[in-house]
Amino acid sequence: EPEVTQTPSHQVTQMGQEVILRCVPISNHLYFYWYRQILGQKVEFLVSFYNNEISEKSEIFDDQFSVERPDGSNFTLKIRSTKLEDSAMYFCASSEMTASTRYGYTFGSGTRLTVV
Amino acid sequence: AQTVTQSQPEMSVQEAETVTLSCTYDTSESDYYLFWYKQPPSRQMILVIRQEAYKQQNATENRFSVNFQKAAKSFSLKISDSQLGDAAMYFCAILYGGSQGNLIFGKGTKLSVKP
Repeated sequence: EPEVTQTPSHQVTQMGQEVILRCVPISNHLYFYWYRQILGQKVEFLVSFYNNEISEKSEIFDDQFSVERPDGSNFTLKIRSTKLEDSAMYFCASSEMTASTRYGYTFGSGTRLTVV
Repeated sequence: AQTVTQSQPEMSVQEAETVTLSCTYDTSESDYYLFWYKQPPSRQMILVIRQEAYKQQNATENRFSVNFQKAAKSFSLKISDSQLGDAAMYFCAILYGGSQGNLIFGKGTKLSVKP
């Protein structure tokens, strides 16, 4: 079964450093998403991406965050200057059809980001 | 604001028994979709079951079924013949028809399965 692949599985970074989280969505999917889950809290939407541009973003997704699809397979989330509160599990997801698909999204296994 | 409430932080079930996880939501929208996701210790989010709000018939996927009460804004998940592998966090989520990806999750229910 096709999977969404995320790398690395765990990343530790110093406060103020830039990090890039990488995702390989399912190959025929057109819509891509990032979510995050702070330990012990609910999963929160960050951003959706279609046709090389952001479709929707949440209040969390401020100027410190950016997304990119640098080639035909990767989808990245960049945090420019990490803060302690950015420590969380970051999930990438993708979907085949329109973002409002009734089919739900396929999530990756997540990247655990620890900011020290 | 749209919210999803899971009132049971933790639940426990005996293997082979049935358990129901509750979920309520608050919305004024008419076009939306509801989901249950499972998050095992591996942390991956796995889609368990989905329900279109315009469908009256409750969705079923093998041992998993939902009780969708649209007027009451309730969307509970029933797991029949519980297995040890069902132990996980379960998240209820809602997606609005006009949304471009903002899947709104509840806080989750941690399900334990006793052998």
